[in-house]
Amino acid sequence: AQSVAQPEDQVNVAEGNPLTVKCTYSVSGNPYLFWYVQYPNRGLQFLLKYITGDNLVKGSYGFEAEFNKSQTSFHLKKPSALVSDSALYFCAVRDLGSSNTGKLIFGQGTTLQVKP
Amino acid sequence: DSGVTQTPKHLITATGQRVTLRCSPRSGDLSVYWYQQSLDQGLQFLIQYYNGEERAKGNILERFSAQQFPDLHSELNLSSLELGDSALYFCASSPGTSGRSETQYFGPGTRLLVL
Repeated sequence: AQSVAQPEDQVNVAEGNPLTVKCTYSVSGNPYLFWYVQYPNRGLQFLLKYITGDNLVKGSYGFEAEFNKSQTSFHLKKPSALVSDSALYFCAVRDLGSSNTGKLIFGQGTTLQVKP
Repeated sequence: DSGVTQTPKHLITATGQRVTLRCSPRSGDLSVYWYQQSLDQGLQFLIQYYNGEERAKGNILERFSAQQFPDLHSELNLSSLELGDSALYFCASSPGTSGRSETQYFGPGTRLLVL
């Protein structure tokens, strides 16, 4: 069964420092991986996805993610954090159990706190 | 703004009642998904519709049902509500024609509180 794990409940960084939010996955086959961000009282906003190809994926708001097949990881990164990046971040993997389903399986979420 | 709309934004009701949540997908999207976000269960997939037909079922209770109408909007019906059904319910949509690489775009959610 497909699964995704976010090992950190919370990540704290200072504004201007690089940030990393970790995600590891378990799939039988080629993974389709996604990152979403949720601001307070808002829906999930799509940041980026990995389908195939280049292991470094660039997304919205200056975020990028590095796909590492050997470590089964898909960590979200940003070179310089902003206070406005403070939010809840979700990693997700597309369920590959059936060709008909678009179901996403989400990690438990990581709260990113960027301090001025 | 993702282009996915959900109504109502908030809903307060009592145990045993029935409610209907509504979702309008992005223009042109054929697939609609429903997810439940709760503190103890996290984000859980409930059900997917594609062009009016049920495509996949997840952890959806028998008290819950959904449908997608010819104009592609979808409704999630929750009946015999229990305290534990209090959660944020999200709808998402995608084109439905590009396979597993498709991005799902989420609406703002409906926050349900069962008292």
